[in-house]
Amino acid sequence: DAGVTQSPTHLIKTRGQQVTLRCSPKSGHDTVSWYQQALGQGPQFIFQYYEEEERQRGNFPDRFSGHQFPNYSSELNVNALLLGDSALYLCASSLGKTGAKNIQYFGAGTRLSVL
Amino acid sequence: AQRVTQPEKLLSVFKGAPVELKCNYSYSGSPELFWYVQYSRQRLQLLLRHISRESIKGFTADLNKGETSFHLKKPFAQEEDSAMYYCALGGQGAQKLVFGQGTRLTINP
Repeated sequence: DAGVTQSPTHLIKTRGQQVTLRCSPKSGHDTVSWYQQALGQGPQFIFQYYEEEERQRGNFPDRFSGHQFPNYSSELNVNALLLGDSALYLCASSLGKTGAKNIQYFGAGTRLSVL
Repeated sequence: AQRVTQPEKLLSVFKGAPVELKCNYSYSGSPELFWYVQYSRQRLQLLLRHISRESIKGFTADLNKGETSFHLKKPFAQEEDSAMYYCALGGQGAQKLVFGQGTRLTINP
């Protein structure tokens, strides 16, 4: 089991562009959460997808959107990139229905740099 | 609102000394607390969660609802404990995790 995989590992974009990040959950997991981790900070929750719908959302603008596919993989899209969007983007997977629902397993992240 | 505070950004102790990483939380409901660790060049991984009441790699953490704390402790630090440690809060029924800013622990030989 490869665990949670994210692609790409690094990305460089310019202001105003759009970006798509991808995540494959750990085998057997059906829930994907996305976090933004700025330098020197802890991860901040962006949103979570379960059964192909956004189940919960953090305090992020509508420029941040996502999608979950039938195979449980997920994408994070960010439109109209700002310099402040530069960060490490983490994907975490978990099981949506069991008592262990809050154990989230993290990917290695995608480092996004906006110039 | 849910909030997690880790008051120490940096903590340095000598090998064999006791370690305590502090974590305080704010949450009106029944919390689920976690400690995640990130070793150098590795991904964030779960160290322990309060409801498991287990000791992992010699670390323990007790949830104190009166003081709203979930401090991480180890009686004898080892060099391989050097890492970034994050305390995280998951509210009951909620799916998101709220993280503290993290504490970088350095164990000196």
